[in-house]
Amino acid sequence: DQQVKQNSPSLSVQEGRISILNCDYTNSMFDYFLWYKKYPAEGPTFLISISSIKDKNEDGRFTVFLNKSAKHLSLHIVPSQPGDSAVYFCAASAIYDYKLSFGAGTTVTVRA
Amino acid sequence: NAGVTQTPKFRILKIGQSMTLQCTQDMNHNYMYWYRQDPGMGLKLIYYSVGAGITDKGEVPNGYNVSRSTTEDFPLRLELAAPSQTSVYFCASTTTSGSYEQYFGPGTRLTVT
Repeated sequence: DQQVKQNSPSLSVQEGRISILNCDYTNSMFDYFLWYKKYPAEGPTFLISISSIKDKNEDGRFTVFLNKSAKHLSLHIVPSQPGDSAVYFCAASAIYDYKLSFGAGTTVTVRA
Repeated sequence: NAGVTQTPKFRILKIGQSMTLQCTQDMNHNYMYWYRQDPGMGLKLIYYSVGAGITDKGEVPNGYNVSRSTTEDFPLRLELAAPSQTSVYFCASTTTSGSYEQYFGPGTRLTVT
């Protein structure tokens, strides 16, 4: 069963605007959440993370929001740039588990 | 640091052939992982290892085997390749220092025909 879900397979956004990517999870034991970015023919690279004790984490243009009661997190990219065009994966781990469950990914295309 | 390296980058196998995908990390990470990614799907965990000599099954282990004789190396063995094993394979590693971030290799694209 898919414990981490990204229901939007793709997102197209104009350069300079905000990109919002969504992720839902079902396992209440998940305690730590990560976003990865993946370019074609490369491995995923870590982007930003958040632990369950926080509801927001910022790193430059990237902000992740966590709503534990709704089992929902989102990634905001502001402003979107052409280099942000990639596949974004949401991932989650239970505390001290060190195994990640991944969503199916959202392909972001930033239009000039 | 080279990070996580994988060889080969591409491989075409015939049904029934066997091969080993190599993975090496130079970060002294204790945890290592093998994932497969099918089109439109997320990464599925095949096997993982918490240290040299210790391995365990992930979500989709059937048709694969692993070994971990050193901290650095974590090879994945495919026996009797099947078309269902056509996928992109990623190796990853992490340290149990409090961060759950995994570092990924560049992947191996495998086609079984």
